[in-house]
Amino acid sequence: TQLLEQSPQFLSIQEGENLTVYCNSSSVFSSLQWYRQEPGEGPVLLVTVVTGGEVKKLKRLTFQFGDARKDSSLHITAAQPGDTGLYLCAGKGKETSGSRLTFGEGTQLTVNP
Amino acid sequence: DVKVTQSSRYLVKRTGEKVFLECVQDMDHENMFWYRQDPGLGLRLIYFSYDVKMKEKGDIPEGYSVSREKKERFSLILESASTNQTSMYLCASSPRQFSRNQPQHFGDGTRLSIL
Repeated sequence: TQLLEQSPQFLSIQEGENLTVYCNSSSVFSSLQWYRQEPGEGPVLLVTVVTGGEVKKLKRLTFQFGDARKDSSLHITAAQPGDTGLYLCAGKGKETSGSRLTFGEGTQLTVNP
Repeated sequence: DVKVTQSSRYLVKRTGEKVFLECVQDMDHENMFWYRQDPGLGLRLIYFSYDVKMKEKGDIPEGYSVSREKKERFSLILESASTNQTSMYLCASSPRQFSRNQPQHFGDGTRLSIL
């Protein structure tokens, strides 16, 4: 079974601060997705990274896929209260059947005004 | 706009009851999934289905079964509910040719409490 470990599990910061969330595995993934989940809703896709070393930017969010495709990071610049939510990484492995994703444990981010 | 609808937002049942959770998608997707979400454990896959009447076990299928009689509907069944099945349940769907860039589309979840 492929595993994804996210850190930190909880993060509480002040508005304007920067932060990084990590997603690590000993397994290689063909692609990795980041989702955000707000209270009372299901997760919603933010980005997919597919190439080792790939960097994608979504406004103040920067996503990176490790060179070996075993890890990923999410960096938020100048966090705002609207960034508050549960961030989940999810990997699609080469060996998994069909469309299965392996999810990390999630990082609960709270941005205080 | 894509839509995955779960029949109940909140559900309270008693130990030993048979519980049905329903999920409907309007995107003509072949793949459908049932997850449970618990704090600190992320999303864990219970069962998934890649076609009508087809199903595969996920990582934690014990105590659960599923039914996919129509393409748009995927049901999760707790045969005899137990307190350790108290959780948030999420349904998702995706197209068959799930390219690496395509998301799974999620419903808003059912918070199930077993007393």
